[in-house]
Amino acid sequence: AQSVTQLGSHVSVSEGALVLLRCNYSSSVPPYLFWYVQYPNQGLQLLLKYTSAATLVKGINGFEAEFKKSETSFHLTKPSAHMSDAAEYFCAVREDSSYKLIFGSGTRLLVRP
Amino acid sequence: EAGVAQSPRYKIIEKRQSVAFWCNPISGHATLYWYQQILGQGPKLLIQFQNNGVVDDSQLPKDRFSAERLKGVDSTLKIQPAKLEDSAVYLCASSADMNTEAFFGQGTRLTVV
Repeated sequence: AQSVTQLGSHVSVSEGALVLLRCNYSSSVPPYLFWYVQYPNQGLQLLLKYTSAATLVKGINGFEAEFKKSETSFHLTKPSAHMSDAAEYFCAVREDSSYKLIFGSGTRLLVRP
Repeated sequence: EAGVAQSPRYKIIEKRQSVAFWCNPISGHATLYWYQQILGQGPKLLIQFQNNGVVDDSQLPKDRFSAERLKGVDSTLKIQPAKLEDSAVYLCASSADMNTEAFFGQGTRLTVV
């Protein structure tokens, strides 16, 4: 079965600093990988997705993620954090067999002024 | 374009009571999902519909949970009777089909006391 593991339930950065949120996946087939963001009391919003077209994927709000098969990773980065980036971020993998999303446990990003 | 609508936003009930949540997907979207998000965890798929048929309900606790999408448009998720461990946010999502991006509603936060 496919799964994702997010390292670090909380990440704290200063405004303007690099954001790095880690995600490792487990899959026996080439995966479809996603990053979602969830603001307080809101639903999930898609940041970006990997569908095997390109290993470096650019998303909304200046975020990007790089698919590294050798490391089974799909880490999310942003060069310069903004206060508005404070939210919870979820990595997810799509199960091809049933097309459902399997989410990681999430990483809460805190941005310090 | 209107997004996925869910109601109510919040609900507090006592254990052993019944509760129902409603979801109206984006117009024209054939696929509808219900996810359960327990505090501190990532969302977990409960049930997936394709039009008015169930694609996957393998993680739906069928002794107490039920869901329907009779006309292939809006959907209702019911819990009867509720348990304390059912306290969670229930997210509805929809997509044009099973291979395209899913859009999430704001969720219904259920508290069982």
